[in-house]
Amino acid sequence: SYELTQSPSVSVSPGQTASITCSGDKLGNKYACWYQQKPGQSPVLVIYQDTKRPSGIPERFSGSNSGDTATLTISGTQAMDEADYYCQAWDSSTVVFGGGTKLTVL
Amino acid sequence: QVQLVESGGGLVKPGGSLRLSCAASGFTLSDYYMSWIRQAPGKGLEWVAHIGSGSYLIYYADSVKGRFTISRDNAKNSLYLQMNSLRAEDTAVYYCARSAGVEMATRFDYWGQGTLVTVAS
Repeated sequence: SYELTQSPSVSVSPGQTASITCSGDKLGNKYACWYQQKPGQSPVLVIYQDTKRPSGIPERFSGSNSGDTATLTISGTQAMDEADYYCQAWDSSTVVFGGGTKLTVL
Repeated sequence: QVQLVESGGGLVKPGGSLRLSCAASGFTLSDYYMSWIRQAPGKGLEWVAHIGSGSYLIYYADSVKGRFTISRDNAKNSLYLQMNSLRAEDTAVYYCARSAGVEMATRFDYWGQGTLVTVAS
């Protein structure tokens, strides 16, 4: 079965750029999307189809996907961006989530 | 506005059954594929099941295949998950989620607040 791998944690200073990666075999041939989940809340879609932002998501969130790696980039990271982030893709009639990355804004 | 409200969670013994419901409002349910996604306490997201707009396409995660059944009633604006032969490892918050795309473009643009299922003796 298809697997998506994320680093368990990433730390960033306020105002700096955070990069969260998601790896999977030939992931660049699929669409990747990203969700943000804060404690006690439901996930929120922040990037879909690799690079697109849903309405209401700040411009500081961006995405890319090539080769085996999709990347979520948060520019000018704010304290409010501290959360768990999950990547997701579709493979062989199944939805696959990465294990999640905890973003800490120090 | 779009709302998804899950219900039906609770405490059940191993081997027992439970039926979850998801009431949809603010959009036409029949226009969208839907999924159930769960999250065990302190763990990540795990996709459970997916159903096409007309119920012709249904997919399950291997972990629940043969035990769980996803269904929908578009006339009642409702999504369901029948869970049988429950195990301790099925303990999780269960979310219903709307997919804004199909197959490769699947992404979940709206999620419910979740309902907690606890399987314990």
